[in-house]
Amino acid sequence: GAGVSQSPSNKVTEKGKDVELRCDPISGHTALYWYRQSLGQGLEFLIYFQGNSAPDKSGLPSDRFSAERTGGSVSTLTIQRTQQEDSAVYLCASSLAGLVPGELFFGEGSRLTVL
Amino acid sequence: QQQVKQSPQSLIVQKGGISIINCAYENTAFDYFPWYQQFPGKGPALLIAIRPDVSEKKEGRFTISFNKSAKQFSLHIMDSQPGDSATYFCAASMPGGGNKLTFGTGTQLKVEL
Repeated sequence: GAGVSQSPSNKVTEKGKDVELRCDPISGHTALYWYRQSLGQGLEFLIYFQGNSAPDKSGLPSDRFSAERTGGSVSTLTIQRTQQEDSAVYLCASSLAGLVPGELFFGEGSRLTVL
Repeated sequence: QQQVKQSPQSLIVQKGGISIINCAYENTAFDYFPWYQQFPGKGPALLIAIRPDVSEKKEGRFTISFNKSAKQFSLHIMDSQPGDSATYFCAASMPGGGNKLTFGTGTQLKVEL
């Protein structure tokens, strides 16, 4: 596809369950980002992958959150033992890092609802 | 700590009017200031961006004004149209930050007929 693809688009889960959210970036983009969008909170940075470098995990809110990027392409964000406060839209973005500063291409997001 | 503060939270403007959204930042190391536009159910998309060595940048009906000494920047939408109704986010990034953006909390703009 031409854009960033995320799945699932919607996920409803019960408190305490684990969830996995997937992101397929634009082909050739070396950088991949996860952000969380909560109502009235803007976009909160979670984690950033750049090529083969160690990821910048400085935005992950707790050790229940983790992410991996396999083969420099697809990424999975995993939330373990979900809590109600994890309910949000999780947005993935990719970019050609260094080409156009600040230009991130976002997917449409995965809306997570924790009951 | 909110490093980029955005106001107002919501804004209603009449068609043809000027929409103004303001942002203020704290970290003087920021060197790139983009604005993103988000329609319901969609991801944000880059609208316009500015660097601190320029005081103003205009693209069509959209203008960024930048005040480095005040650490403030604003988005002006001239001749606002109903199709401009969306949520707008200001953001900032640092050199060497790899396009890692710090976003404001967003402004929900509604342009009425």
